Amino acid sequence: QQQVKQSPQSLIVQKGGISIINCAYENTAFDYFPWYQQFPGKGPALLIAIRPDVSEKKEGRFTISFNKSAKQFSLHIMDSQPGDSATYFCAASRGTYKYIFGTGTRLKVLA
Amino acid sequence: ETGVTQTPRHLVMGMTNKKSLKCEQHLGHNAMYWYKQSAKKPLELMFVYSLEERVENNSVPSRFSPECPNSSHLFLHLHTLQPEDSALYLCASSQEGRFSGANVLTFGAGSRLTVL
Repeated sequence: QQQVKQSPQSLIVQKGGISIINCAYENTAFDYFPWYQQFPGKGPALLIAIRPDVSEKKEGRFTISFNKSAKQFSLHIMDSQPGDSATYFCAASRGTYKYIFGTGTRLKVLA
Repeated sequence: ETGVTQTPRHLVMGMTNKKSLKCEQHLGHNAMYWYKQSAKKPLELMFVYSLEERVENNSVPSRFSPECPNSSHLFLHLHTLQPEDSALYLCASSQEGRFSGANVLTFGAGSRLTVL
């Protein structure tokens, strides 16, 4: 009930390609779904987030797609760049600060 | 200084040592957190302090002892740790409330702990 399952564990994409990372959750009480980006030697930083009343949110090259009925959400990185190489974490929370994180996806974008 | 600052960035300690990790946030937030990050595992919430009172303790072993003297500072006191406690310890802060942008976690860079 409290898990957030993230896949794939690692991803290699050519420069200019589309990176797609998927997450699935079980608890329908979750009402906030952020994605965090973490570079080596740094802490995770909020990248983009969505609430379940919308199906898609786009910020620049980053898009979250949200499927409430399937209890799934995904991060799409369009025109992937080597500077996007990082570890990406999805998360879900319900109301306050009780975040449940996925296990992370290590993305490498080849130049 | 801006954001969330953690010291030390790296710490090596023996199983019988006593050490402390320090976190300071310069964002005016009213909640602070300790997370444990281990390879291939989800970030694990250890402690939450809201308005300087501990509101969440996810059954963390007593060899980890948090302290929050004020809303800007958070410590994690370590004693008689085990090798499996080696990990990256992340501090985070947030502003609790019911407004847009509330409860967004801002993380520090972490303290890399190695227990020999």
